[in-house]
Amino acid sequence: SYELTQPPSVSVSPGQTATITCSGDAVAKQYAYWYQQKPGQAPTLIIYRDSERPSGIPERFSGASSGTTVTLTIRGVQAEDEADYYCQSVDSNPTFLYVFGTGTKLTVL
Amino acid sequence: EVRLSEFGGGLVQPGGSLRLSCAASGFAFRGYAMGWVRQAPGKGLEWVSVISNTGDNAHYTDSVKGRFTLSRDNSKNAVYLQMNSLRAEDTAIYYCAKNHLGGYDSFDVWGHGTTVTVSS
Repeated sequence: SYELTQPPSVSVSPGQTATITCSGDAVAKQYAYWYQQKPGQAPTLIIYRDSERPSGIPERFSGASSGTTVTLTIRGVQAEDEADYYCQSVDSNPTFLYVFGTGTKLTVL
Repeated sequence: EVRLSEFGGGLVQPGGSLRLSCAASGFAFRGYAMGWVRQAPGKGLEWVSVISNTGDNAHYTDSVKGRFTLSRDNSKNAVYLQMNSLRAEDTAIYYCAKNHLGGYDSFDVWGHGTTVTVSS
């Protein structure tokens, strides 16, 4: 399957932990990546290879993988974390393609 | 500073053509695959195309195969997306993006995007 499914929305209070899931066959076979996109801005890579953080990304962002589901966890959520989050993977069998998840709107209450 | 700048968006009639350009600076351009990702108004991210670091191989999402062509000029640190037979559903912000680790993986640098509107 070329689909990566995410919950449309997640809400959390400041200081709490937000968990966003991404499910699909592609992430069982390949690495998953996560992006944060704020309104009017280009996406920012926040997790690569399932659980690695690029330089400059706060430690409160973490990723994990288990079977056909990958998870983005944001601990100690801050107001500035309110954004859309997308997972992504690369599939090559039978057709080469990059696939993005459906996206999750994180609301900080 | 690592930077990508897109050019060439605009309003075009259905069936028309546009050529998007992306100028890169601040990194070893010839060492990285480059891609385009689009975002229709109010919608999510959609991968469009990617080209290898040498330009020998390009891949496309099914909906643009046969209509879009991605190329690069490593001497000019630029990539080009030729878009033909444009349709209303191609309307979107088009982002140029750099692959993170040299191969085909994730996109770690993005341009600010250029808007393509297909309408009569």
